[in-house]
Amino acid sequence: DAGVIQSPRHEVTEMGQEVTLRCKLISGHNSLFWYRQTMMRGLELLIYFNNNVPIDDSGMPEDRFSAKMPNASFSTLKIQPSEPRDSAVYFCASSLALAGGTNEQFFGPGTRLTVL
Amino acid sequence: ILNVEQSPQSLHVQEGDSTNFTCSFPSSNFYALHWYRWETAKSPEALFVMTLNGDEKKKGRISATLNTKEGYSYLYIKGSQPEDSATYLCALSADSWGKLQFGAGTQVVVTP
Repeated sequence: DAGVIQSPRHEVTEMGQEVTLRCKLISGHNSLFWYRQTMMRGLELLIYFNNNVPIDDSGMPEDRFSAKMPNASFSTLKIQPSEPRDSAVYFCASSLALAGGTNEQFFGPGTRLTVL
Repeated sequence: ILNVEQSPQSLHVQEGDSTNFTCSFPSSNFYALHWYRWETAKSPEALFVMTLNGDEKKKGRISATLNTKEGYSYLYIKGSQPEDSATYLCALSADSWGKLQFGAGTQVVVTP
């Protein structure tokens, strides 16, 4: 298996532009988590899905952020309009959610976003 | 929100020495405790998932214990090697879908 795939790996954009980050889950997994890593806050959970349904989006910082899961294997995280303070590494992780919450998460390589 | 505290924040270890560090939590109201290893410029990788009080896991030179009654988990590295240098994250499963609440991590630097 190729593991979790994220694209692009690096994105440099100007303030005000729309940014779309993409994630492909590991085949057979049913849960998808979007994280953001910054020096100030470490690894913070933005939103997560189970069986394509958003479960908790309380970590999404503002309305400028939105995430979708149009099918069982793919998700997008969109920032519109982007701001310099959105600069961070964005990770996507997938897991097979079993009863009991003991499933480990498999992280993608991350997308390094720089907003100028 | 589950509080996850990790200590120390960082530590330096001489190659060949053994070390350990702590993950503590005030409440045992979680599904499982996870340890992740995060190398610089890479992604976090799962080391262990621990579910029961008294649970012990081992992978090579790395092992972990869980004491839910006292509210802590230890991660041990025996005979540290430079490739063990990484940030070690502790996380608690907060719900049945596997939402993780991460600690800030312990950064381990092993010097030759």
